[in-house]
Amino acid sequence: GENVEQHPSTLSVQEGDSAVIKCTYSDSASNYFPWYKQELGKRPQLIIDIRSNVGEKKDQRIAVTLNKTAKHFSLHITETQPEDSAVYFCAGTGYNFNKFYFGSGTKLNVKP
Amino acid sequence: DAGITQSPRHKVTETGTPVTLRCHQTENHRYMYWYRQDPGHGLRLIHYSYGVKDTDKGEVSDGYSVSRSKTEDFLLTLESATSSQTSVYFCAISESGLADQETQYFGPGTRLLVL
Repeated sequence: GENVEQHPSTLSVQEGDSAVIKCTYSDSASNYFPWYKQELGKRPQLIIDIRSNVGEKKDQRIAVTLNKTAKHFSLHITETQPEDSAVYFCAGTGYNFNKFYFGSGTKLNVKP
Repeated sequence: DAGITQSPRHKVTETGTPVTLRCHQTENHRYMYWYRQDPGHGLRLIHYSYGVKDTDKGEVSDGYSVSRSKTEDFLLTLESATSSQTSVYFCAISESGLADQETQYFGPGTRLLVL
């Protein structure tokens, strides 16, 4: 199946700075890449996703970029705020679109 | 949040006892999933269902079984719980199961402690 690796495992930034989280995947058949945010004690919630026919997608302060040749995709958060503090997960699907393979997560801490 | 509930939300049990977790949805979605979440491992798929009585294994299915007798309910059973099954369990649903068309929505989670 698909193997998704995520870096860094922890990230600490100052409020107002940008944060970047990177993921790589192994299966070239993957064509859908969601990002989830999980606040402490809560369920993971989708924040943005990208499909392989586009290279970048933005939604206000968050954006995701995809490089299919290099098999990596990244989450970019600009103008970070304390409420952005959470664990972020990336995922890929592999050839079986019924299954998601998640990265191990990045704990983002935004310091006021 | 999508109409997904999990029960119980917290459970403490002893090694060797059977445990059943329930996921209930009100969305009439076809696909349902069980994940476990452990530090350093992200979310790992245990089993999933693509319809009533139709199930398949995920990447960490050993020691778990599932059943789906109704569209709205997906049960996860630990036949004989072990300490390595201490985890947070999340149910998820997807309308089509085609991940390039529809994402998955998660339930609130069940925290299980096996002593």
